[in-house]
Amino acid sequence: DAGITQSPRHKVTETGTPVTLRCHQTENHRYMYWYRQDPGHGLRLIHYSYGVKDTDKGEVSDGYSVSRSKTEDFLLTLESATSSQTSVYFCAISESGKSYEQYFGPGTRLTVT
Amino acid sequence: TQLLEQSPQFLSIQEGENLTVYCNSSSVFSSLQWYRQEPGEGPVLLVTVVTGGEVKKLKRLTFQFGDARKDSSLHITAAQPGDTGLYLCAGLNSGNTPLVFGKGTRLSVIA
Repeated sequence: DAGITQSPRHKVTETGTPVTLRCHQTENHRYMYWYRQDPGHGLRLIHYSYGVKDTDKGEVSDGYSVSRSKTEDFLLTLESATSSQTSVYFCAISESGKSYEQYFGPGTRLTVT
Repeated sequence: TQLLEQSPQFLSIQEGENLTVYCNSSSVFSSLQWYRQEPGEGPVLLVTVVTGGEVKKLKRLTFQFGDARKDSSLHITAAQPGDTGLYLCAGLNSGNTPLVFGKGTRLSVIA
């Protein structure tokens, strides 16, 4: 299995508070992604990174920011959490070549009350 | 926006039955991937198909990429309860753009 960890695995927070989710990889892959998964919507891309300090928006980026200061870490921040951001968040990694096959972390279940 | 439509959305079958799930698009993809996701876990890559008309087999699972590289199918022979999960297809357009994911087919195999 690819070495990807996410922390925390579960979090409950209140509306309006900032939240940061961490993704850590030991595979030295160039690309990293943040998705959210909700019933009826499937996996939706929030942001992705194609290198250190190089990031781009996905289809549902509003309300989220990311940072990547090291190859191995990709942080997702909810500046002011809202109930609509209650979801399961997955991090994934890939490398160029091999059709950019993605390897996913175990997920973080976030509940915003 | 490129879309991948998966059908059916839900499928519940008895152990030992065969099934096919589909992944369709109006767009051409350079490759297509299938993932399986079990409850409480992240998706896991099953296979990648890259050539139009390609067929790949993984034990009881057979994957096919359409000749025009716009669609794909996954056929499971003699389904087992361990096949239960969410099956996702994902298409790659050009080299450095993110994968496009379908919404998935949720399969339940009843013993």
